[in-house]
Amino acid sequence: RKEVEQDPGPFNVPEGATVAFNCTYSNSASQSFFWYRQDCRKEPKLLMSVYSSGNEDGRFTAQLNRASQYISLLIRDSKLSDSATYLCVVRGSNYQLIWGAGTKLIIKP
Amino acid sequence: DGGITQSPKYLFRKEGQNVTLSCEQNLNHDAMYWYRQDPGQGLRLIYYSQIVNDFQKGDIAEGYSVSREKKESFPLTVTSAQKNPTAFYLCASSAQGDTQYFGPGTRLTVL
Repeated sequence: RKEVEQDPGPFNVPEGATVAFNCTYSNSASQSFFWYRQDCRKEPKLLMSVYSSGNEDGRFTAQLNRASQYISLLIRDSKLSDSATYLCVVRGSNYQLIWGAGTKLIIKP
Repeated sequence: DGGITQSPKYLFRKEGQNVTLSCEQNLNHDAMYWYRQDPGQGLRLIYYSQIVNDFQKGDIAEGYSVSREKKESFPLTVTSAQKNPTAFYLCASSAQGDTQYFGPGTRLTVL
């Protein structure tokens, strides 16, 4: 079992819709959680950190479920510019980052 | 402008050649990292350095070498011992334990 698993997609979603995807992690001692966004052939960029209480940044909401060991990302009112690959990242007990392979999102007009 | 730069953007290597990828940052970050990304896979850690003159192997260090002589610079050498070097190489830096910020990457292709 991979340490961090994501559905690779692609998720094909019409513009304006709401889309959500999850990421599961295997190490219950994981300390911190993040969502990064990566555009095609570009470097990853931090989208948001994920806090135990959940957090929201505009149209984006991230949630953490420690009991079931997953984090989620919800995007409301999706825009064409949201098309990208979303990478789930988990910081383990040794402070190193473990990266998921990413979920590809395609927003269609 | 503060940030991380990587060069070159594209690099072609012949079989048996060593090549060096450059990574420079002016963010005054202590920690620097090298990752490799292959299609359909997550980033995999090659080497990291938490302080000048010190570095540690990551998950896939075989066939690679690094140096950290200056805080700003963390070059990666892909040696001929790396049997499958074609990949997208990403350098990152962070303040200790904080968010990692990435350079634009170098695409290495073996001819």
